[in-house]
Amino acid sequence: DTGVSQDPRHKITKRGQNVTFRCDPISEHNRLYWYRQTLGQGPEFLTYFQNEAQLEKSRLLSDRFSAERPKGSFSTLEIQRTEQGDSAMYLCASSPQQAGVQHIQYFGAGTRLSVL
Amino acid sequence: LAKTTQPISMDSYEGQEVNITCSHNNIATNDYITWYQQFPSQGPRFIIQGYKTKVTNEVASLFIPADRKSSTLSLPRVSLSDTAVYYCLVATGGTSYGKLTFGQGTILTVHP
Repeated sequence: DTGVSQDPRHKITKRGQNVTFRCDPISEHNRLYWYRQTLGQGPEFLTYFQNEAQLEKSRLLSDRFSAERPKGSFSTLEIQRTEQGDSAMYLCASSPQQAGVQHIQYFGAGTRLSVL
Repeated sequence: LAKTTQPISMDSYEGQEVNITCSHNNIATNDYITWYQQFPSQGPRFIIQGYKTKVTNEVASLFIPADRKSSTLSLPRVSLSDTAVYYCLVATGGTSYGKLTFGQGTILTVHP
């Protein structure tokens, strides 16, 4: 078990470009989450998947953001027409669906996005 | 939605015990209290979770009074490697899947 894996670790892009990040959760974890973290702040929830179904999206997730989890395994987060305000660390987390285990999530190392 | 309040920063020295207290006055009956640790350029890491009284694991203890309106994370004999941000979270009541709401956290700095 290698934990939650995110790729790439760092991404530098120019304003207006599209970017895509990938997250591989811990195997057998059916819950997957995306968060965004800016400097000095705690992570903010973006969206949640249970298996392949996207069950909640934060209002932080504008129309330029889209996330998928085909086949309920890895997930991708795409940002279209990036803006400088999108610069942040994008974190992925996964968790098992177990009775008695309340909301313990396992996070990846994140993808740091810099929009120039 | 239970909101948490914790100190912005704390300083300690190697070998000391550190206690970080978190207030969560609006905690709901079915909410759990969870603490995460985060190092720079890494994702948060689960430390400990509890519902009431005391919970202890290999790295920390969590003390929760009977009214559950606060909790205290206790780190015994800290070392330089415990320098990190510590987040206190309360699971959103009524949510079945566990969306986490992080505050600003407590920056713990351990000095030699």
